[in-house]
This record gives sequence, structure tokens and C-alpha cells, in this order.
Amino acid sequence: GENVEQHPSTLSVQEGDSAVIKCTYSDSASNYFPWYKQELGKGPQLIIDIRSNVGEKKDQRIAVTLNKTAKHFSLHITETQPEDSAVYFCAADNTGNQFYFGTGTSLTVIP
Amino acid sequence: DTAVSQTPKYLVTQMGNDKSIKCEQNLGHDTMYWYKQDSKKFLKIMFSYNNKELIINETVPNRFSPKSPDKAHLNLHINSLELGDSAVYFCASSQDNWGTEAFFGQGTRLTVV
Repeated sequence: GENVEQHPSTLSVQEGDSAVIKCTYSDSASNYFPWYKQELGKGPQLIIDIRSNVGEKKDQRIAVTLNKTAKHFSLHITETQPEDSAVYFCAADNTGNQFYFGTGTSLTVIP
Repeated sequence: DTAVSQTPKYLVTQMGNDKSIKCEQNLGHDTMYWYKQDSKKFLKIMFSYNNKELIINETVPNRFSPKSPDKAHLNLHINSLELGDSAVYFCASSQDNWGTEAFFGQGTRLTVV
């Protein structure tokens, strides 16, 4: 099976600074890597995703990079805002929507 | 309009009881899932259904039985509830089962006392 590790488990940044969350995966067959944001009391919501044939993807303040050789991918949030505070999960999909989630990163943006 | 809705949102019950959680999606998706989130926020897949057929059944006790009457619904029935079943259960759906976005419901917090 797939094993996804995520670091750090908690992250505090000042408003306006950047935040970076890193994940590694074990199964080289994984080809889809979504990132989810979970706010308190809500279900996870997709914020960005990347497929194995792409090395980087950006959507406004959010970007994801993927290094297939090293089997790691990262989430970058620039110009952080208080509303970015949430738990973020990376995931890897190796056989078709059997997402293996990382252990989550609790991000706090300090105003 | 709620895309993936699950009921109830909160469920408190005694050990040994049987309970059900219902899930419905109005997105026209073919694939639905149940995930369990434990107290440490770890999300783990339990079941996956594609067009009403079971395609993934992780190592879940057979006290848990999913039922999909049609592709818009995936209900979860739990027999003989145990303290360790306490968690938040999320239903989700996706267009298909090949690397597409999963939409999650708001979760059902199950507490077994």
C-alpha cells in the first residue's frame, strides 16, 4: 500500500509570511496528489491538486510542486491571511481514488 | 444546494447499539466513499463504491456494513458499537474513480458511551 508522511504537524506564521508544508509518498505508481483544507467542524475541501506529469501548479497564492524522482510534493501558501488558518492534508492516489492521506498540518496565521 | 449531505451531524449512543449514518450526493457522481477521522485528525478510507458496486473495502470490522441503494446514496450501518468506534465519519463523492476531486460531506461525529 501507499504511505504518505506529512511535515510539520503544526505551523505558525505571521500574517503576510509564506507557509510551506511537505509530504513524501512511498508508491511510485501514485499519480494524483491533491491537497485538502479542513476548517473546524467542516469536511475537507480541495484547494489544489497536481498530476504526475506536471512538476508545478499555481493558483493565486497557492502553489504545489512535485518531485517524482524523490517522491515528495509540497504546498506553498504566500501572503498568508488569518482565514488560511486550518488543517491541511496532502494525499496520494495510486490505484484510482483510493486516497491515502497525510497526517495533517495545523496552520495558524497570526494577525 | 448541499453537494454531499450526511445525517445526522451528531450521534451519541451506548455501547452495543446499532446505528446508521446516511449520505446523499446531488452531483451526479459515480463514486462514493466513507472515511473515518480519528481524534488525531487522521483520515482513513473505509469503503469506496462505484456505480453501486463495492470497489474498496479496507480492513474494517464486519460490524460496519455499507449499503448503496443507488449511485446517489451510500449509507453506513454499524452493529454492536464499541468505544473505539467514536470518531468523525465523512462521506465523499467523486466523478469517477480515476484521480478526480473528492467532495466531502460535513461529517458525522459519533460518540459511543
